Amino acid sequence: GESVGLHLPTLSVQEGDNSIINCAYSNSASDYFIWYKQESGKGPQFIIDIRSNMDKRQGQRVTVLLNKTVKHLSLQIAATQPGDSAVYFCAENTGGFKTIFGAGTRLFVKA
Amino acid sequence: DGGITQSPKYLFRKEGQNVTLSCEQNLNHDAMYWYRQDPGQGLRLIYYSQIVNDFQKGDIAEGYSVSREKKESFPLTVTSAQKNPTAFYLCASSRDRGNYNEQFFGPGTRLTVL
Repeated sequence: GESVGLHLPTLSVQEGDNSIINCAYSNSASDYFIWYKQESGKGPQFIIDIRSNMDKRQGQRVTVLLNKTVKHLSLQIAATQPGDSAVYFCAENTGGFKTIFGAGTRLFVKA
Repeated sequence: DGGITQSPKYLFRKEGQNVTLSCEQNLNHDAMYWYRQDPGQGLRLIYYSQIVNDFQKGDIAEGYSVSREKKESFPLTVTSAQKNPTAFYLCASSRDRGNYNEQFFGPGTRLTVL
């Protein structure tokens, strides 16, 4: 599960470096995946999504990679900026209204 | 300026009191959701609604109630039966009842029960 919580995995990167945040999902039947960014005290914001018929999708400075064989999802952020500091979590959907949210990773960007 | 609004941002209540959290969206979305967020845990679904005048229980519906009388509004009532109501509550909406629609979240309401 996720949340802007106290005991989340943490990733610390230098400003300008690339960040890679990983997520292991639980259901092999999941066919739609989303990455969200959540800043402290705010609601989650959509970053990028990917369907199971793809293994890579790129957005502006972000790339999502999907490995269905090992049920693994990753979010790559290029040229990480201080404004990228937040909690990032993945979500999986097997169709319908049930979305399972991961626990999240806290990203710290050092100036 | 389209989006989801939740009010209030912070809410304090005494134990044993019911409290209603507001959620409004002007995105013309059919589906709306309520989640609870606790430290170290993922978002947990309380209730969701696919269409006006219809709603379904999520994973942790006990002690909560909702209504969906208008497309734009999906208020959540936290009743005195909820054993541990202090949490961050998030409302979300998505475009329609189909798959592959990301959920848009409101800014959240932090409820503290004293």
